[in-house]
Amino acid sequence: AQSVTQPDIHITVSEGASLELRCNYSYGATPYLFWYVQSPGQGLQLLLKYFSGDTLVQGIKGFEAEFKRSQSSFNLRKPSVHWSDAAEYFCAVGAARGTYKYIFGTGTRLKVLA
Amino acid sequence: EAEVAQSPRYKITEKSQAVAFWCDPISGHATLYWYRQILGQGPELLVQFQDESVVDDSQLPKDRFSAERLKGVDSTLKIQPAELGDSAMYLCASSLSRQETQYFGPGTRLLVL
Repeated sequence: AQSVTQPDIHITVSEGASLELRCNYSYGATPYLFWYVQSPGQGLQLLLKYFSGDTLVQGIKGFEAEFKRSQSSFNLRKPSVHWSDAAEYFCAVGAARGTYKYIFGTGTRLKVLA
Repeated sequence: EAEVAQSPRYKITEKSQAVAFWCDPISGHATLYWYRQILGQGPELLVQFQDESVVDDSQLPKDRFSAERLKGVDSTLKIQPAELGDSAMYLCASSLSRQETQYFGPGTRLLVL
């Protein structure tokens, strides 16, 4: 069974600063990896995904993530944060066979200071 | 851009009452999921459908929860009777197939008093 850890519950950055959100996973094979963003009271929006191939993945809204097999990580980055990026971010790991079930982390809440 | 539709967006009910949530997936999506998200946590899968068949309901509290997708399109999740601990966001998602990316609806926020 897979699992995912997001070590940071809250992160605060200043507008214009760079951002890195951490995600570590556990899975016996190469997993499917995702980052979703959730604004208060809303559903989840897909930012980016990794299935295979290039380990640096580009997503929407200027986000990117890098799959590092040796570290079992899939950290999300953005070079310059905008105030509208304030939200909760969820990393998910999907099984690569069977039901292809997703397991979500507990989320990282991002606060952006003006 | 096609979206997953859910209704109602908000529901307040008293404990021991019955509640039902509706989900209409993106057209053509064969796989449909219901998740529960407790405040401050990530979503947890309750049930997964492939067309009209349940493929995973291992986390569904079957004594009070039921889900159906009779024609393999839209779906209903029911809770009867509701308990205080059921207060949460209920999210529906769909994907073209099990291997494809899941897309989420806006959710139904349930408050049980």
